[in-house]
Amino acid sequence: KAGVTQTPRYLIKTRGQQVTLSCSPISGHRSVSWYQQTPGQGLQFLFEYFSETQRNKGNFPGRFSGRQFSNSRSEMNVSTLELGDSALYLCASSLELFFGEGSRLTVL
Amino acid sequence: AQSVSQHNHHVILSEAASLELGCNYSYGGTVNLFWYVQYPGQHLQLLLKYFSGDPLVKGIKGFEAEFIKSKFSFNLRKPSVQWSDTAEYFCAVAYNTDKLIFGTGTRLQVFP
Repeated sequence: KAGVTQTPRYLIKTRGQQVTLSCSPISGHRSVSWYQQTPGQGLQFLFEYFSETQRNKGNFPGRFSGRQFSNSRSEMNVSTLELGDSALYLCASSLELFFGEGSRLTVL
Repeated sequence: AQSVSQHNHHVILSEAASLELGCNYSYGGTVNLFWYVQYPGQHLQLLLKYFSGDPLVKGIKGFEAEFIKSKFSFNLRKPSVQWSDTAEYFCAVAYNTDKLIFGTGTRLQVFP
C-alpha cells in the first residue's frame, strides 16, 4: 500500500509569490489534514478535508487555502508569501494520521 | 483553551537507560492520544495511539504509554533505549474531532 505522497519535496520562493503544494493520501483514505512545522511554533494544524469538504480549519490567515478533489488528492495554496511562511508543510492521511515526508518551503 | 504540554524539551541518555517522556493535556472531553517520532531528516511516524480500552498501550520499537485520565497524562516509556532511538518525539491529542493538537516535542539524544 503506497504511503502519503507530497510534491514537491523542496521549493524556494520569494516574498510576494504564491505556492501550491500537493498531497495524495493513502489509497482509500478520504481524509487529508495539513500541518505546518517550524522550529519556533512546532506543528500547527492548517486544515482538514474530507470528501472534498473542509471539515476543520486552524488559526492561519486567509492567505492559506486548500481544496480536495474527488480522488481525495488535496492541494494547499499560500498566496503573497512572507518570510515567516518558510516551513515544512506536512500532509496526513486519515484519523490515525499517516504523514507524508513533507514539502519544505523556503521563502527568500 | 485546548493544549498539550511536553515538559522535557531535551533529554540526554546513555544506551540501556530507561526513558519516560511526559505529556499532559488540558481537559476537553473525549480525547484520542498519540505519540509520534521524527528521526533526523525523516517524516513523522506513529509510535502508538490510545482511543479507548486498556490504558496501557504498546507501540512499535518497544515503546509503551500509559493514559492516566485523572492526571490528564499520556507519558511515553521505554525500558532500555538504544542509540537508534535518537529522534524528536511528539505527543498529540485529538479533542472530539480529527484535528490534532501537538506538543512542542522532546528531543532525545542517546549516546552509546
